[in-house]
Amino acid sequence: AQTVTQSQPEMSVQEAETVTLSCTYDTSENNYYLFWYKQPPSRQMILVIRQEAYKQQNATENRFSVNFQKAAKSFSLKISDSQLGDTAMYFCAYHRKGAQKLVFGQGTRLTINP
Amino acid sequence: AAGVIQSPRHLIKEKRETATLKCYPIPRHDTVYWYQQGPGQDPQFLISFYEKMQSDKGSIPDRFSAQQFSDYHSELNMSSLELGDSALYFCASSFPPADRVPEAFFGQGTRLTVV
Repeated sequence: AQTVTQSQPEMSVQEAETVTLSCTYDTSENNYYLFWYKQPPSRQMILVIRQEAYKQQNATENRFSVNFQKAAKSFSLKISDSQLGDTAMYFCAYHRKGAQKLVFGQGTRLTINP
Repeated sequence: AAGVIQSPRHLIKEKRETATLKCYPIPRHDTVYWYQQGPGQDPQFLISFYEKMQSDKGSIPDRFSAQQFSDYHSELNMSSLELGDSALYFCASSFPPADRVPEAFFGQGTRLTVV
C-alpha cells in the first residue's frame, strides 16, 4: 500500500521568508502523480501544485515550487516570499495512475508570522 | 466557475440515527471521491466512483454506503451513527482524461456532529 509521510507537524517562519515543507512517499508504482494541498482555517482543500512522476522538471506555480526526487521518493514544497495568507495546513498527496484515490500525508501546520 | 457542491454544510444527528450527505460534482466530472477528516487529522479516503460504478474503496465502515447516480451526483448514507463519526466529510470530483493529471477539486465539506 502506498503511504505518504510528512515529518514536520508544525513550522513557523516570518513573513517574506522562504520555507520548505518535506514529504516522502512509499510506492512500487512507476506512474503516479503528487500534489500539495492547502487547508486554511476555513477547512477548504485547495490545490497548490501538482507533479507528474514521469516529468523530471520540477513544477512551479508562482511563489510555490517543488523539489521532486523520484529515486529518493521525496516531494518537498518550497514557498518563497511567504505571506500571511499562506498560513494553513499543508497536505502532501499521492495518486496512482489509473486509480481513483488520493492518499494524504499527516499534514504540516504552517504559520507565517508578521 | 462551478465548484463541487456539498449539502448540507452542517448536520447534527443523535447516536443511532441515519444521515445522508450529498455531493454535486463539477459539470462533466465523472469521478467522485469521499473523504472523512476528523479533528486535527488528515483526510481519510472512504470510497470513490467512476462513471457511476464503485472504483476504489478505503476505510469505509459497513454502516456507510454510497452511490453515484445517473446525473453523476453522489450520496453517502450513514446509519447507526456513533459519536466517532463526528467529522468533516469532503467530496471531491475530477475528470481525468488519459492525457491529463487527475486533479481533484474539493467541496467545502459537510460538518457532521453526532450527539
